[in-house]
Amino acid sequence: KAGVTQTPRYLIKTRGQQVTLSCSPISGHRSVSWYQQTPGQGLQFLFEYFSETQRNKGNFPGRFSGRQFSNSRSEMNVSTLELGDSALYLCASSFFRTGTTGELFFGEGSRLTVL
Amino acid sequence: SQKIEQNSEALNIQEGKTATLTCNYTNYSPAYLQWYRQDPGRGPVFLLLIRENEKEKRKERLKVTFDTTLKQSLFHITASQPADSATYLCAPPTSGTYKYIFGTGTRLKVLA
Repeated sequence: KAGVTQTPRYLIKTRGQQVTLSCSPISGHRSVSWYQQTPGQGLQFLFEYFSETQRNKGNFPGRFSGRQFSNSRSEMNVSTLELGDSALYLCASSFFRTGTTGELFFGEGSRLTVL
Repeated sequence: SQKIEQNSEALNIQEGKTATLTCNYTNYSPAYLQWYRQDPGRGPVFLLLIRENEKEKRKERLKVTFDTTLKQSLFHITASQPADSATYLCAPPTSGTYKYIFGTGTRLKVLA
């Protein structure tokens, strides 16, 4: 069974640009979450989607957005990049349904560097 | 606000000893808690889940405890090996949501 696939793995952008990251979840998983990981802050929750609906959102500015497609694949977008957006962006899929505990299966992440 | 605290300092132990990592949570009572392992540059990998009505959970050399009175979970690795060196994260879900709060993790280094 294929794992969670994130693309691209590495990317370099300059301030003011925008970036789109992609995540393909494990087959059958309808929940996709996104996390930002930085050395000082650890993993910070961005948002979670289930069947194309955003169910939860973290405390990030509106520059961070996401969406989920009917095949459960998800994208996140960061507009007007700032230096502080440099981080490892992790996507996690889960067989999340009401009443389940939902272990997260993470991808390898997309390492974003903003210059 | 709901908060998770893990010892952010690295833990160095000798091979063969038992490593004990601590996770404390405040301002809420999660129904369960998960532990993950993360290697440098990789995504976290799920290890164990323990529910509030379980005092202890084991998997091979791993043991997790959950003390709802102390609001604390302990993660033990017995007979530790250099391959166990990694960062270990605890992650309870936020009450009533599908979102997890991750601790900053404890970096474990097992010395040969």
